[in-house]
Amino acid sequence: AQTVTQSQPEMSVQEAETVTLSCTYDTSESDYYLFWYKQPPSRQMILVIRQEAYKQQNATENRFSVNFQKAAKSFSLKISDSQLGDAAMYFCAYRPKLVFGQGTRLTINP
Amino acid sequence: DTGVSQDPRHKITKRGQNVTFRCDPISEHNRLYWYRQTLGQGPEFLTYFQNEAQLEKSRLLSDRFSAERPKGSFSTLEIQRTEQGDSAMYLCASRGTGDSYNEQFFGPGTRLTVL
Repeated sequence: AQTVTQSQPEMSVQEAETVTLSCTYDTSESDYYLFWYKQPPSRQMILVIRQEAYKQQNATENRFSVNFQKAAKSFSLKISDSQLGDAAMYFCAYRPKLVFGQGTRLTINP
Repeated sequence: DTGVSQDPRHKITKRGQNVTFRCDPISEHNRLYWYRQTLGQGPEFLTYFQNEAQLEKSRLLSDRFSAERPKGSFSTLEIQRTEQGDSAMYLCASRGTGDSYNEQFFGPGTRLTVL
């Protein structure tokens, strides 16, 4: 069975600094997708970034980028120039069947 | 707003009562998913539909749970004889098309509290 592990229950960062959230996964599949979702307090979950496993190039979306290490089954999220609005729970997720990690609560300190 | 909507947003019920939740997906999305999220955890898959067909059910979906999508549009999730362990956020998501083919769009969720 596929599993997704986020080893950091909580992280905090100073506004404008960079933070990296970790995620590892376990699968025997060769073709899959990985996602980072953001869930702000009392608000719905939204997609931050996605990575296709067959692509070697790391995905980037503005201030958000990933470090995808397929052999190590690692998929970390880097947030640059952190903003107060980045405060949320962040979930790493794996497809074909969407399996989520336990989440990392990110706090931004002004 | 053309996003995924869920109703009600909050539901408080007494143990043993039946509850029903509704999800309206984004109109052109043919796949619809239900998840359960307990406090401090990531969402867990319950079931999904392609159009009106229920294609997969998780082992988490006991026989007290039933989901329908009769016309391939909105979906309902019913829990019979609720238990305190059913208290959770129930999330609905629908699957995008085109460039967003692999993205699931989530609704705001229905928070269930069983007393």
